[in-house]
Amino acid sequence: AQSVAQPEDQVKVAEGNPLTVKCTYSVSGNPYLFWYVQYPNRGLQFLLKYITGDNLVKGSYGFEAEFNKSQTSFHLKKPSALVSDSALYFCAVRDADDYKLSFGAGTTVTVRA
Amino acid sequence: ETGVTQTPRHLVMGMTNKKSLKCEQHLGHNAMYWYKQSAKKPLELMFVYSLEERVENNSVPSRFSPECPNSSHLFLHLHTLQPEDSALYLCASSPSWQGARPLFFGSGTQLSVL
Repeated sequence: AQSVAQPEDQVKVAEGNPLTVKCTYSVSGNPYLFWYVQYPNRGLQFLLKYITGDNLVKGSYGFEAEFNKSQTSFHLKKPSALVSDSALYFCAVRDADDYKLSFGAGTTVTVRA
Repeated sequence: ETGVTQTPRHLVMGMTNKKSLKCEQHLGHNAMYWYKQSAKKPLELMFVYSLEERVENNSVPSRFSPECPNSSHLFLHLHTLQPEDSALYLCASSPSWQGARPLFFGSGTQLSVL
């Protein structure tokens, strides 16, 4: 079985400050890891993914994420948050030998001006 | 726009009604999905289709009936729903149901069952 945990329901930061959204996962094999963002009244949009290789992956809108195999984590980061980054963020994992994509419950990010 | 269009955006139905949700993708993808999104819960995978053939029925009640007439269109037929079925229903597509390609989501249909 595979699962994703996003331990924080909400994250609040001031504009210009660094933003981190936490994610830990559990899979039996090698993980494929994804981050998606959902703006109000919209579907999920793909931000970035980790398949293999460099542990630091860069994605859209200045976001990056670091894969840590020993801690089974894939935290999303942005060095300087914008008010427009306020949204709901989902982490997702898929076992490389499976096709099912499992999502976390989401973390609401609020960036205040 | 993600290239995945869902209609209607909002739907209110009684428990005895029959309605259908529609999804269309303009991306040339081979796989299509239905997900259920409830507040504060992980997205629930309901159905997966690959080239019009169902590859996953994730223990979904029979009151939800999917239909995939071709690789660009996906329907979710609803009948005798329960209030707990109220949620945002998301359609998604991807180039293949296998591998590591990301999913492209529509904006969803917000369903309220009275």
